[in-house]
Amino acid sequence: NAGVTQTPKFQVLKTGQSMTLQCAQDMNHNSMYWYRQDPGMGLRLIYYSASEGTTDKGEVPNGYNVSRLNKREFSLRLESAAPSQTSVYFCASSGLDRAAKNIQYFGAGTRLSVL
Amino acid sequence: EDQVTQSPEALRLQEGESSSLNCSYTVSGLRGLFWYRQDPGKGPEFLFTLYSAGEEKEKERLKATLTKKESFLHITAPKPEDSATYLCAVRARGNNDMRFGAGTRLTVKP
Repeated sequence: NAGVTQTPKFQVLKTGQSMTLQCAQDMNHNSMYWYRQDPGMGLRLIYYSASEGTTDKGEVPNGYNVSRLNKREFSLRLESAAPSQTSVYFCASSGLDRAAKNIQYFGAGTRLSVL
Repeated sequence: EDQVTQSPEALRLQEGESSSLNCSYTVSGLRGLFWYRQDPGKGPEFLFTLYSAGEEKEKERLKATLTKKESFLHITAPKPEDSATYLCAVRARGNNDMRFGAGTRLTVKP
């Protein structure tokens, strides 16, 4: 069982370049999330999708866009990358049924550097 | 605003030396407090969920407890393989997301 898969694992961009981070889950979860993790600041929510067809802003959405392509896939796009977006990005998913208890399961992360 | 504060930031223990990690939180209507373990270069891995004050959960050398204001992660007789960053997160009533603390980086020396 793959769980949550993120691609790419590493990326280096120049300021102003664009890119899309991909995330796919095979657990039939309804909800998906994008976080960024910076030293000393913990995980901060960028965007989330409670179900297919819906997306909502999190704590730090500026400079990002998301697309819930289908139930399995949730992508994060940086239209014009800035050095402040250098971070480690994590995708997560969770189910809504009582058994799943809203536990979020995380991918291995994408390490992004913007020069 | 929901807040989560973890202490200490870093903790170094000798193998077998028991200790506790703290997670203090302020949230309007707790819907769950979550503990995760994160190894270097990897994503967080779920450990426990606690829902109400007085609740306790155990897994091997780890035991999580919850009060109305804080949670503790007790580590009994730790081993070097317990070295990791431990993250605490809370979910508030009416919210679909979680608020994370900055984590405690635990190092266990043999």
